[in-house]
Amino acid sequence: DIQMTQSPSSLSASVGDRVTITCQASQDISNFLNWYQQRPGEAPKVVIYDASNLQTGAPLRFSGSGSGTHFTFTINNLRPEDSATYYCQQYETLPYTFGQGTKLEI
Amino acid sequence: QVRLQESGPGLVKPSQTLALTCTVSGGSLNWSGGYYWTWIRQTAGRELEWIGRVFSTGSTWYNPSLKSRVTMSIDVSKKQFSLTLTSVTAADTAVYYCARQTIAAYYFDPWGQGALVTVSS
Repeated sequence: DIQMTQSPSSLSASVGDRVTITCQASQDISNFLNWYQQRPGEAPKVVIYDASNLQTGAPLRFSGSGSGTHFTFTINNLRPEDSATYYCQQYETLPYTFGQGTKLEI
Repeated sequence: QVRLQESGPGLVKPSQTLALTCTVSGGSLNWSGGYYWTWIRQTAGRELEWIGRVFSTGSTWYNPSLKSRVTMSIDVSKKQFSLTLTSVTAADTAVYYCARQTIAAYYFDPWGQGALVTVSS
């Protein structure tokens, strides 16, 4: 299986800050990567697909980049509602696998 | 708008079989094709594990880590798909989500609200 490693596992930031989460794949996955946001008590929701495409309805403050084995997810101008856990997920090879999550506290 | 809803027992005894159903409603579904219907679970440690998927034809693909214990099926007429997991242990305690994966897009959207299944005697 392809291992997905996120860092950091948790972080704390303030309203208006910019934060970046990193996701490292154990092998080349091209741009076959999605990012999900999961608020407490809710199911995950896709916010970035194909590494850099913003999902319809996701805030323009969200962005993703990267290819191969190294990917980043960035939130600009943090808002209180961004408090959540964020996951990366690869779909280059079955079984699909997720990172362990990054818990963001605002 | 498409909605997914999991249903099934919330408590299963060790060594028994976990069985969940996901019911799809709403929206202008292309139910007969174009989607993989998927099961994903999340443990208390918040890790997400892809369990497998079933296509409208009934073809399936399971995570090798669970393959020997998992069966998925689909009932197109009822707009339902299901998951069974045999010989459960405490390690199978998790929130189980059903989700749709568009064949062309590869991301999971939407998801059901999740069903907590606890394995305990």
